[in-house]
Amino acid sequence: DIQMTHSPSSLSASVGDGVTITCRASQSISTNLNWYQQKPGKAPKLLIYAASTLQSGVPPRFSGSGSGTDFALTISGLQPEDFATYYCQQSYSSPLTFGGGTKVEVK
Amino acid sequence: QVQLQESGPTLVKPSETLSLTCTVSGDSINYSHWTWIRQPPGKGLEWLATVYYSGTTTHNTSLSSRVTTSIDPSKSQFSLQLSSATAADTALYFCARVRGDFSNPIDFWGQGTQVTVSS
Repeated sequence: DIQMTHSPSSLSASVGDGVTITCRASQSISTNLNWYQQKPGKAPKLLIYAASTLQSGVPPRFSGSGSGTDFALTISGLQPEDFATYYCQQSYSSPLTFGGGTKVEVK
Repeated sequence: QVQLQESGPTLVKPSETLSLTCTVSGDSINYSHWTWIRQPPGKGLEWLATVYYSGTTTHNTSLSSRVTTSIDPSKSQFSLQLSSATAADTALYFCARVRGDFSNPIDFWGQGTQVTVSS
């Protein structure tokens, strides 16, 4: 199974800050990497797919980068609604696997 | 707009079978992969199984001996059965869509249904 590792597991930031979350795969997954945002008790929401493609309707302050084993999700100018947990997920091979998540909290 | 709705018992006794159904609306159940994912309390996301409209299935190997999935295109529904349930199966269960190919992202999710395994 491909292991996905987030860094950091949590961070504190203020509205307006820029934030970068990284995700590392245990083997190369090309660009088969997706990012989701989840708020407590809600279903995850797709933000970025294929490592860097913004899902329709997602604000452009979200961006993704990377290929192979190292990926990043950047939020440029945190908004109040962005405080949530973010998960990466590889869709390169079965079983689909998720990272453990990065919780973005209010400083 | 694609909508998915999970249904099934919210309380399951240990050793019994956990059974959930997902009803799809706003999209044909054909030509996409349909997926079950769960989230134990306070923990991350775990993929359980995926079924294609043709009936082809793939399961998480950590659960493969206990998981069964099926699909009924005539009802726009797909189902999950998890046998020999234990407290470790207590979680928020989501059904979701992978549009087209299995390697695509999970783009639509149900709201989730909380299932508790307890006597």
